[in-house]
Amino acid sequence: QSALTQPRSVSGSPGQSVTISCTGITTDVGGYKYVSWYQQHPGKAPKVMIYDVNRRRSGVPDRFSGSKSGNTASLTISGLQAEDEADYYCCSSVGSYTHFGGGTKLTVL
Amino acid sequence: QLQLQESGPGLVEPSETLSLTCSVSGGSVSSGDYYWSWIRQPPGKGLEWIGYIFYSGITQYNPSLKSRVTISLDASKNQFSLRLSSVTAADTAVYYCAREPICSGAECYYYFDYWGQGALVTVSS
Repeated sequence: QSALTQPRSVSGSPGQSVTISCTGITTDVGGYKYVSWYQQHPGKAPKVMIYDVNRRRSGVPDRFSGSKSGNTASLTISGLQAEDEADYYCCSSVGSYTHFGGGTKLTVL
Repeated sequence: QLQLQESGPGLVEPSETLSLTCSVSGGSVSSGDYYWSWIRQPPGKGLEWIGYIFYSGITQYNPSLKSRVTISLDASKNQFSLRLSSVTAADTAVYYCAREPICSGAECYYYFDYWGQGALVTVSS
C-alpha cells in the first residue's frame, strides 16, 4: 500500500489561510471516515489536530478544520500564526492497516 | 493524564534485533478501548506505521515489516514492546509508541491521541 500523497510544502503569511491536501484511494481515504491530521514541530512528537475527517481534538484552535471530497482529504488553517509553522501529516486508518502521508512543511512567511 | 515512555538501546548493530519497551502511566494497557501502537520516523523523513497490539494479544503489522516485527504486551508491568529483527541502516529512526482509541459503544475512531517522546535508534557497527 502506498503512502498518501501530500504536497511537500505550503506557505502563507500571518492571518492568511492555507489548505493542505492528502490524496489516497477508494480503499483508504475515499472509503472511510478515519482520516486524521498531525502537527509536528522539530524535535517533538506528532500531535493530533483533527480526527474522523473533521473533528477537532480537544484544545485545538478552531482555526484548524478538516474536510474530505472523494479520495482527497484536506486540512485548512485559517488566520495563520507563527506557531503554526510545522510539519503536517495526514493519516488513514482502516482498523487493520494504517498509513501516513509523506508530510507537508508549512512555512509562515 | 496518560504518559508513554520509550526505552531501550540507542545503538544496534546490523543484522541484530532492535528491542524497545513502552511504559504506560495514567492508563492501562489492559483496556479494551485502545490499540497500543509503534510508529517510526527516519531522520528527516516521514512517519511510518509499524503495527499495534490489542489487550487480548491480537496484533496487526505493516506488511512491509511483518516478517521482521513482533509486538508484545506485559499487562503486569503495564508495558508493551517492539522487536525488529535483522536490522539494517534503513531501520535507523526515531521510534514512537502511541495509543489509538478504537471503538466506544457504537462509535469508532482510529487515530493516535497520545504519543511517547520518541527514542532514536541508530543501526551501525
